[in-house]
Amino acid sequence: DVKVTQSSRYLVKRTGEKVFLECVQDMDHENMFWYRQDPGLGLRLIYFSYDVKMKEKGDIPEGYSVSREKKERFSLILESASTNQTSMYLCASRRTAGGYEQYFGPGTRLTVT
Amino acid sequence: AQKVTQAQTEISVVEKEDVTLDCVYETRDTTYYLFWYKQPPSGELVFLIRRNSFDEQNEISGRYSWNFQKSTSSFNFTITASQVVDSAVYFCALRRGGATNKLIFGTGTLLAVQP
Repeated sequence: DVKVTQSSRYLVKRTGEKVFLECVQDMDHENMFWYRQDPGLGLRLIYFSYDVKMKEKGDIPEGYSVSREKKERFSLILESASTNQTSMYLCASRRTAGGYEQYFGPGTRLTVT
Repeated sequence: AQKVTQAQTEISVVEKEDVTLDCVYETRDTTYYLFWYKQPPSGELVFLIRRNSFDEQNEISGRYSWNFQKSTSSFNFTITASQVVDSAVYFCALRRGGATNKLIFGTGTLLAVQP
């Protein structure tokens, strides 16, 4: 089974803090994604990576950066957390060839106070 | 423009009722892919089905069935004889063909199945 894990289920940070959200997948998938989920807005893509050290902006990249130094790990960084970044963050991965479905982690609920 | 609309924000049914979740999509592509995901209270999105734009056959998997109609740009999901364990948020999503990696999600439908 594909397994995508995220470092924390719940996280509380203060405004202005630098926040790291970590995601690890164990299926050797080339592609990894970060989404945020907000009520009434569905899932919105923040960034994705199609290879190590490669990244592309999604629909809402402002205020975020990412890092992919190893194939299995994709990190989302909030350089200076703000209250409007309070949200559920979901990581996903998928392989390039064949199936196009993405496999998701359990999510991190981040609260910025 | 690519867009997915799930007009039903919340649905509440009693166990054993049948329920249909609607999904309408917009795309100008001739090749595209449609997905349904389930998000139980635990939070993790679970992949349910993928359908290619060139395959309009309906699909049945146990109590789940999907009706894909290109003429109305719809990809509806029916749960037969619903159970409490079906309670979740269900998302419909659209992906373009080709090299793009993006999934465009609808806003989700919260299904509550009462015992």
